[in-house]
Amino acid sequence: AQSVTQLGSHVSVSEGALVLLRCNYSSSVPPYLFWYVQYPNQGLQLLLKYTSAATLVKGINGFEAEFKKSETSFHLTKPSAHMSDAAEYFCAVSHSNDYKLSFGAGTTVTVRA
Amino acid sequence: DTAVSQTPKYLVTQMGNDKSIKCEQNLGHDTMYWYKQDSKKFLKIMFSYNNKELIINETVPNRFSPKSPDKAHLNLHINSLELGDSAVYFCASSLRGGDYEQYFGPGTRLTVT
Repeated sequence: AQSVTQLGSHVSVSEGALVLLRCNYSSSVPPYLFWYVQYPNQGLQLLLKYTSAATLVKGINGFEAEFKKSETSFHLTKPSAHMSDAAEYFCAVSHSNDYKLSFGAGTTVTVRA
Repeated sequence: DTAVSQTPKYLVTQMGNDKSIKCEQNLGHDTMYWYKQDSKKFLKIMFSYNNKELIINETVPNRFSPKSPDKAHLNLHINSLELGDSAVYFCASSLRGGDYEQYFGPGTRLTVT
């Protein structure tokens, strides 16, 4: 069985400040890890994914995440928040031969002017 | 040109009714999915299909019946709707399972009164 835990259901940051969203995974086999973003009343969009290549993964909109096996973590960061980053962020896990994503509970990001 | 489309976007109906949600993808993908997002924004897989064959049925009540007439379409029919079925239903597709990115539709907000 595999699962992800997102620490912090809500994160509030000032515009221009660092965004840090935490994700820890549990998996008995090598995981594939994903971060998706959901803007209000929209579907999910992939930000980035880890698939056992480079441990530091760069995604769209200036986001990146680092896979740390020793900490079973895949935290998402962005150096400088923009107002447009306000959204719901989901960490998800899958593995080879799996036909589903198992999502974390999500983290709501608000950006203060 | 929309990659994954769903109809309708909103669906309001009474308990006991039967309704369908349609999903189409024009990405040439082999795998399609239905996810349910509850009022707390938690996302859970319901079904996944690969090459029109059911791969995952995640303990969904048998009132829910997916149907894949071809690889580009995956429809969801719901019988005898209950209040607890109120949620946002997302269709998604990917080239295959595992580490392939899933592309999500815009969602169908189902409200059962």
